[in-house]
Amino acid sequence: QVQLQESGPGLVKPSQTLSLTCTVSGGSISSGDYYWSWIRQPPGKGLEWIGYIYYSGSTYYNPSLKSRVTISVDTSKNQFSLKLSSVTAADTAVYYCARATMAPYAFDIWGQGTMVTVSS
Amino acid sequence: EIVMTQSPATLSVSPGERATLSCRASQSVSSNLAWYQQKPGQAPRLLIYGASTRATGIPARFSGSGSGTEFTLTISSLQSEDFAVYYCQQYNNWWTFGQGTKVEIK
Repeated sequence: QVQLQESGPGLVKPSQTLSLTCTVSGGSISSGDYYWSWIRQPPGKGLEWIGYIYYSGSTYYNPSLKSRVTISVDTSKNQFSLKLSSVTAADTAVYYCARATMAPYAFDIWGQGTMVTVSS
Repeated sequence: EIVMTQSPATLSVSPGERATLSCRASQSVSSNLAWYQQKPGQAPRLLIYGASTRATGIPARFSGSGSGTEFTLTISSLQSEDFAVYYCQQYNNWWTFGQGTKVEIK
């Protein structure tokens, strides 16, 4: 079965760039049937979709974060990655990678999540 | 942006009782709505998609209804493992989530 696993630094300094990677196992990221997304959840708060990437490299970002977000894919490693620039304390959150199916576009598989704290 | 509003924020229910959770969209999302369950320290789990279709492995006590702007998640007889936070999510226009309803033991 397909599994997702986030990895990356748990602590990032203000104004720097947050970088995370999601490794997909048990299936191919190039299957073409899914959108590969990043979603975050600040402590004690709700969920916010950040953006997605298709295996071909096409992306779509949450307009509220678009100016700071880059999502990329490495099909040879079966991974996709998130970069969020100019971070502040408001970017402190658990970051999840997730898979959205095509029609319906629901997130059927999630990683366990990784906590990222923005602090000097 | 389509804003999703859930009510109530907290629902206190006794085991074995029925729980009814509501979700309202700021504009029509047709039936492009999903429900998720999240337990402390865990990732959300997909329960319902297409407003009323249970995801694989989800028990029949979970049911969803509604279309357009008004949606409901019903848990017919609460089990101990059902006490959690529930989120609705629309996918009609990219993705946005409601703020969640916490179902707690009464």
